[in-house]
This record gives sequence, C-alpha cells and structure tokens, in this order.
Amino acid sequence: DQQVKQNSPSLSVQEGRISILNCDYTNSMFDYFLWYKKYPAEGPTFLISISSIKDKNEDGRFTVFLNKSAKHLSLHIVPSQPGDSAVYFCAASGDTGGFKTIFGAGTRLFVKA
Amino acid sequence: DTEVTQTPKHLVMGMTNKKSLKCEQHMGHRAMYWYKQKAKKPPELMFVYSYEKLSINESVPSRFSPECPNSSLLNLHLHALQPEDSALYLCASSQPRQGNYGYTFGSGTRLTVV
Repeated sequence: DQQVKQNSPSLSVQEGRISILNCDYTNSMFDYFLWYKKYPAEGPTFLISISSIKDKNEDGRFTVFLNKSAKHLSLHIVPSQPGDSAVYFCAASGDTGGFKTIFGAGTRLFVKA
Repeated sequence: DTEVTQTPKHLVMGMTNKKSLKCEQHMGHRAMYWYKQKAKKPPELMFVYSYEKLSINESVPSRFSPECPNSSLLNLHLHALQPEDSALYLCASSQPRQGNYGYTFGSGTRLTVV
C-alpha cells in the first residue's frame, strides 16, 4: 500500500495563475516532507521541504503547506511559468536523517502560455 | 561540481548477461542511494550507503549487487536479470543524516532486459 499518494496524475494551469499540487500520506511517523521536480531525461531535482513541526514553508514562488491532522500537504506555485511544466514528486521520510525517503507517483504539471 | 553522473544512460541486456551501472559524485556527499522507477510509478528505494558501508538493503533480489568502492563512486552490478527488472535506475547522494534537506539525483540509466 502506498504511504505517499498523489491522486492527480496531471494538472493544467494558465501562465501567471496559481498551481496547487496535492499530496496525502498515511504514516503519522513521517517527520519531513519534500517536493521534487523532474524534467524529461533528467533526474528529480529537490525543490522545497518542510518539517512536521511547521505548517508552512516558503521559498520564492514556491510554498508548501502541511496539514498534519488531515495528513495532507500541498505545493503552491505562484505565479506559474511555462518553465514550471514538469513532473512533481511529493516525498516523505520518517527515519533519522532521511535515509528512507518514500515517494509519491508524481503529478505532471502543464503551464500554458 | 554539483552533479551526480550516471553511466550508461541507456542499457539493453540479455537475461544471461552481466553488466554494471555506474554513479559518480564529487560533492563530498557521504551517503549514496540507488532507486528503481517503473513507468508511472514512484521511485522505490533499493540500497543506501553511508560512509561507503551498506546501511539499507530494501530486500532487493541478489541479482542486484551494489558496491561502493570509494566515497565518490557507487556501482550496481547486474546479473541474470528478468524482463520485469526493466526500469529507470536512479542514483542519488546527500550528506549522511541530511537527506531531509534533499537528495541530488543523477539523470538515471534506462535499463531494458530482453
């Protein structure tokens, strides 16, 4: 059973608008959550992370929100740009130091110009 | 150097062949990882090395044999693979116990077993 779930396989957004990517998890022992971005023919690139003791972390156009009671996190991209078109992976870890990071299946984001 | 380099990018091998995947990083990271990713599925952890010692083996079949000859290199030796082992194999690195700050991934080796 998948511990990290991204239920939307794809999302299409207009340039300049907000992109919201969602992720649910089942393991309450996870203490760090991460987002990675992946372009075709490249490996995933780390984007942003959040500790379970926080509910929000912001880095430029990217903000991650964590709702522990709902076991839900989301990545907001504002404003969306065509270069943001990629596959976004949600990930979580619960062991000390993040040696065992569990990934979701990814959401493909299309940003239309 | 902020890259993780994987070779080859593509590999086709028969079920009786022996081949190796190579991963190299020069970022001074002392933790290295092998992940396997099948189409439309999440990357799945296979092995973790920390300070050149195997820390985690996620019950991977013995036809996959990892090796970490030094702090910059990680190999995955393949022998007697099955067609279902066809996948994208990703290598990643981080500082030990700092994986929560993100891994650096290579671009992967696309493996096809025929």
